[in-house]
Amino acid sequence: DGGITQSPKYLFRKEGQNVTLSCEQNLNHDAMYWYRQDPGQGLRLIYYSQIVNDFQKGDIAEGYSVSREKKESFPLTVTSAQKNPTAFYLCASSIYHNTGTPKNIQYFGAGTRLSVL
Amino acid sequence: AQKVTQAQTEISVVEKEDVTLDCVYETRDTTYYLFWYKQPPSGELVFLIRRNSFDEQNEISGRYSWNFQKSTSSFNFTITASQVVDSAVYFCALSDGGSEKLVFGKGTKLTVNP
Repeated sequence: DGGITQSPKYLFRKEGQNVTLSCEQNLNHDAMYWYRQDPGQGLRLIYYSQIVNDFQKGDIAEGYSVSREKKESFPLTVTSAQKNPTAFYLCASSIYHNTGTPKNIQYFGAGTRLSVL
Repeated sequence: AQKVTQAQTEISVVEKEDVTLDCVYETRDTTYYLFWYKQPPSGELVFLIRRNSFDEQNEISGRYSWNFQKSTSSFNFTITASQVVDSAVYFCALSDGGSEKLVFGKGTKLTVNP
């Protein structure tokens, strides 16, 4: 089955600890995204990557880091610098065309809920 | 700057009622894309529809229909004969012609009661 897999489903972070959220896709999509969702809020973009070994900051990148070493994988690290990490994190992917062709649909994983101990 | 406003925070209806979810957007681009996503209690966002700015035709898919009006910068979503399974948070989103990024509204929580 093609799709986006996020793990773990629930994650707990201790004070001063870095934690990494996994996102894997087997859709052969070029672009991948990380969003943060807080209660009663829309989704806010943290980082995105259009091709391997390249990524850009979104609207709320501070306290987060990413890597894109493989097309299928886009892990997100929540660092100790992120003082309010408790949120629902969603990963998405889409086909990416850099020739100005119509923008493509983002497909989402099931999310990871991060809490602070 | 782009912005999406979903003024209805929560809506509660009784099964079989029709319900319309409002979405108003702002963008300076002439080419843009509008989306609706559904987020059931499980959390995963499910894509419902994408519409480009040059296509103002309304669309119907089963019990779902969408009304796109550029004159009022609105892209409203109607569920006809609602069912309990329609209970979810619905997000409207916007992507302008020069970006792959989506800007989301804050969502409307729909509860359909039996």
